[in-house]
Amino acid sequence: GNSVTQMEGPVTLSEEAFLTINCTYTATGYPSLFWYVQYPGEGLQLLLKATKADDKGSNKGFEATYRKETTSFHLEKGSVQVSDSAVYFCALSDRGSEKLVFGKGTKLTVNP
Amino acid sequence: IAGITQAPTSQILAAGRRMTLRCTQDMRHNAMYWYRQDLGLGLRLIHYSNTAGTTGKGEVPDGYSVSRANTDDFPLTLASAVPSQTSVYFCASSGLRGEGYTFGSGTRLTVV
Repeated sequence: GNSVTQMEGPVTLSEEAFLTINCTYTATGYPSLFWYVQYPGEGLQLLLKATKADDKGSNKGFEATYRKETTSFHLEKGSVQVSDSAVYFCALSDRGSEKLVFGKGTKLTVNP
Repeated sequence: IAGITQAPTSQILAAGRRMTLRCTQDMRHNAMYWYRQDLGLGLRLIHYSNTAGTTGKGEVPDGYSVSRANTDDFPLTLASAVPSQTSVYFCASSGLRGEGYTFGSGTRLTVV
């Protein structure tokens, strides 16, 4: 079945550091890929998405590229801020279904 | 503001009691979902509905039931609560294929 594996946290960085959160997936066909962010005490919000190979999703300085050859969708940001502290979830949806399969989440803490 | 409303925000419930978590959306999305979020386990799908009048079981459906009488509402019922159902519950909806989910703010349920 479909699955998503993302790097275990927690991840702690200093402000302005470079961020990478790894995400790999297993799926049949060509899934759509997503990153969601959950700020403390809130629900999940869509951060960015990509629907086909080599697509790059971007939002709020975050980027992720759909790499079919490595089945990956790593999240990156060049310079993190304290306000980026949150839990980040990688997810996929199969073409034949709208149901999302989520990774277990990676908690990011950015210190001033 | 269009979105998903969940109620209550939090609840402490005695074991054995019945409880309904409410979820309403105003985006006319066809599909709706209930997830529970537990530390270390990520998000797990409880039940879903692809359209009004239909429901399906997710990964962890035991002890929960849902109904979808109309497009907007998707209540989740715990018939007889047990402590293992202590969790944060999120309702979500999806509209166009490949667009991902919109999440509610969650209900924090503690069963004692």
